[in-house]
Amino acid sequence: DGGITQSPKYLFRKEGQNVTLSCEQNLNHDAMYWYRQDPGQGLRLIYYSQIVNDFQKGDIAEGYSVSREKKESFPLTVTSAQKNPTAFYLCASSIRTGGSNQPQHFGDGTRLSIL
Amino acid sequence: GQNIDQPTEMTATEGAIVQINCTYQTSGFNGLFWYQQHAGEAPTFLSYNVLDGLEEKGRFSSFLSRSKGYSYLLLKELQMKDSASYLCAVRDQSNSWGKLQFGAGTQVVVTP
Repeated sequence: DGGITQSPKYLFRKEGQNVTLSCEQNLNHDAMYWYRQDPGQGLRLIYYSQIVNDFQKGDIAEGYSVSREKKESFPLTVTSAQKNPTAFYLCASSIRTGGSNQPQHFGDGTRLSIL
Repeated sequence: GQNIDQPTEMTATEGAIVQINCTYQTSGFNGLFWYQQHAGEAPTFLSYNVLDGLEEKGRFSSFLSRSKGYSYLLLKELQMKDSASYLCAVRDQSNSWGKLQFGAGTQVVVTP
């Protein structure tokens, strides 16, 4: 079945440590996204990518980095510069078009906590 | 920029109807999506509106008025499994790739 796979489901970060969250999709979607979800707040966009080898900052990119070397993969690194990383991280993908009725499809998320 | 407002929580009885409102302000509009999200899980797509009017999908319907910047999601014949957060998301026309802006979500609690 086609879908989006995020791993790990739970992740713990120590002080000063970088951690990388994995996101893989087999939907043949061009566009991929990373969101952060905090209690009582909407999903906030961290980074997005419309095509391989290209990505753009979202609304809250500081302290995060991404790469898009393959169409299927869009890993997110939470760096030590992100001082409040505890959150639920969601990866999504969609057909790359601005006017389509095609929705974004989401992975099951990674819950990141500080040790 | 965009502001998207929806109520924080709503409670309803099994078998009843609940209407979740969403108001938005945007510099450009190119569609509105509703998602359902159970706690700790991925949001799943429910409906899409880009023209004014009502879209019906089984027990769920969604309405849009672009002139009023207003949408609602109507859940009929509520079931216990409908207890979840419902997210309203607006696609901004002002950028070429259609970024989504999400509301904070409305937690629906269905009671027996």
